[in-house]
Amino acid sequence: ETGVTQSPTHLIKTRGQQVTLRCSSQSGHNTVSWYQQALGQGPQFIFQYYREEENGRGNFPPRFSGLQFPNYSSELNVNALELDDSALYLCASSLPPGYEQYFGPGTRLTVT
Amino acid sequence: AQSVTQPDIHITVSEGASLELRCNYSYGATPYLFWYVQSPGQGLQLLLKYFSGDTLVQGIKGFEAEFKRSQSSFNLRKPSVHWSDAAEYFCAVGSPSGGYQKVTFGTGTKLQVIP
Repeated sequence: ETGVTQSPTHLIKTRGQQVTLRCSSQSGHNTVSWYQQALGQGPQFIFQYYREEENGRGNFPPRFSGLQFPNYSSELNVNALELDDSALYLCASSLPPGYEQYFGPGTRLTVT
Repeated sequence: AQSVTQPDIHITVSEGASLELRCNYSYGATPYLFWYVQSPGQGLQLLLKYFSGDTLVQGIKGFEAEFKRSQSSFNLRKPSVHWSDAAEYFCAVGSPSGGYQKVTFGTGTKLQVIP
């Protein structure tokens, strides 16, 4: 059974640029959630996708957007990057939304 | 709004000693509760979960946690700590809400294990 994978591992971008992060969910999981973890903090919920639709969102601005594909993989897009967007971005997959979430290793984004 | 408090930012224990990490939550109904562990630069690994039923739950790596509704707590315990347990531990509360599960994490407790 393949776990949750994320790419790339690390990324450096300049303020104002756009970035796309990718996530492959664990086999059989149809729900993907994205989290932002700033240094020294706990993960903060960005949004969740279930069957290709966004079905929940945290307190993040619209420049954070996402997609989920028919194979349940997902993308997180961030436009107009700001310095405060520097963080570890975690993807988690689960069976229907009420089940426990399994996390990928994360993508470390640095904005300069 | 749901929230999680982990009052201990950093804990140091000796190898072989017992461990208890504290977690208090705020949520109106019976929550889903989780403990995750994170090694440096890594993602989160689920240690254990509570959804309903027996309030003492067993997890992986010899960890257990007890749900106490009256105290709004879900403390993590281990009878004998190993050096490999050094990591950061996150308590989280999840709530089904409008068709999705919002999971809120605490700020974490960093565990140091000394020989």
